[in-house]
Amino acid sequence: AQTIHQWPVAEIKAVGSPLSLGCTIKGKSSPNLYWYWQATGGTLQQLFYSITVGQVESVVQLNLSASRPKDDQFILSTEKLLLSHSGFYLCAWSLNRNSGNTLYFGEGSRLIVV
Amino acid sequence: AQKVIQVWSTASRQEGEELTLDCSYETSQVLYHLFWYKHLLSGEMVFLIRQMSSSTAKERSGRYSVVFQKSLKSISLVISALQPDDSGKYFCALWELSLPSNTGFYFGKGTSLTVIP
Repeated sequence: AQTIHQWPVAEIKAVGSPLSLGCTIKGKSSPNLYWYWQATGGTLQQLFYSITVGQVESVVQLNLSASRPKDDQFILSTEKLLLSHSGFYLCAWSLNRNSGNTLYFGEGSRLIVV
Repeated sequence: AQKVIQVWSTASRQEGEELTLDCSYETSQVLYHLFWYKHLLSGEMVFLIRQMSSSTAKERSGRYSVVFQKSLKSISLVISALQPDDSGKYFCALWELSLPSNTGFYFGKGTSLTVIP
């Protein structure tokens, strides 16, 4: 069975500080990977997707970046946090983004920027 | 403009009752899929059920079923025999095949359900 794990579970960070959120998928080779973000009271927005190692596409510009250093790992980061980065970040995987396959999500990482 | 609209932000029912959560969507694509997810308090987003635009079958998974009204661009999630553990936030999502940058999932704002024991 596939498992998806995110870390950290929650963070409180200062404006201007760096951020790194991680996601690991086990039990599935070459998954399509995604980062989603939900601001408080808002809807889930896709931030990035990756079809293969080393390739990441940006969907929404939020002064964040993402990388896929390994087949099973997806990293979301920024060097300088903004207040607007607060929210809930979800990592997800699917078989193929072009086939409407079901998205499977991790447990999420809650970020509070102060 | 929002592509997926969940009109009710909150709902509450008694244990044992049945609940219908409504969702409407906008798409000009022929091929699309609709999903329902539940967001647990733990943070995990759990997949519940999927409806393909090309399917006329009434999708069902355990106590979950959907009412798909394609001409109205509406999909409702029906949860039968409600239990307190059904409490949580339910999201409707649309996946459509479009331009490479636009292909993907669009989520509604969710409906928070409270089941009263």
